[in-house]
Amino acid sequence: NAGVTQTPKFQVLKTGQSMTLQCAQDMNHEYMSWYRQDPGMGLRLIHYSVGAGITDQGEVPNGYNVSRSTTEDFPLRLLSAAPSQTSVYFCASSSRGPGGEKLFFGSGTQLSVL
Amino acid sequence: AQTVTQSQPEMSVQEAETVTLSCTYDTSESNYYLFWYKQPPSRQMILVIRQEAYKQQNATENRFSVNFQKAAKSFSLKISDSQLGDTAMYFCAFMKYFSGGGADGLTFGKGTHLIIQP
Repeated sequence: NAGVTQTPKFQVLKTGQSMTLQCAQDMNHEYMSWYRQDPGMGLRLIHYSVGAGITDQGEVPNGYNVSRSTTEDFPLRLLSAAPSQTSVYFCASSSRGPGGEKLFFGSGTQLSVL
Repeated sequence: AQTVTQSQPEMSVQEAETVTLSCTYDTSESNYYLFWYKQPPSRQMILVIRQEAYKQQNATENRFSVNFQKAAKSFSLKISDSQLGDTAMYFCAFMKYFSGGGADGLTFGKGTHLIIQP
């Protein structure tokens, strides 16, 4: 049971490049989310999804795009990377119903935009 | 919107001592969860303990316990018999409760860097 898998673990981009951070979970969780963590800050919610085909914005959505075509996958797209998007990105998932308040986190992706 | 405040950027204690990390929050919600997460240098997010707001009894998990004061909107973490492996960033977090499962995400504080000295 792999849990929540994020790829890549590290990435360096140039300003203006695009890329997709991958997130997959094998626990059949309905709820998935993306967070970013900047130095000296806690994690902040970027986007989340409560099920396939449903996404919504979190606290810091600008510059990011998401879609949820399957229950298992929730990719995060940077269409035109900016230095302000240098951060560590975490994906998380949880189930609906009792116990759904417990989030399972991936190991994170460290992104640097030059 | 909810806010979570951790007023101690860094704390340092000797091994085997007891340490308390502070957290206050602000919300107009009546049903919610509060959490403490540990983030070691590996950057993995590890759930330490959680508290349901409607429960008056403070949560405990082995050496970790909380002091939940709902009226004061305070949620402190006590670590007893601290160990070198407890060295990490600790984040307090809030989740609004929805029947059918939490779906609105976590709001985090800025964290406290806890250092356990040998």
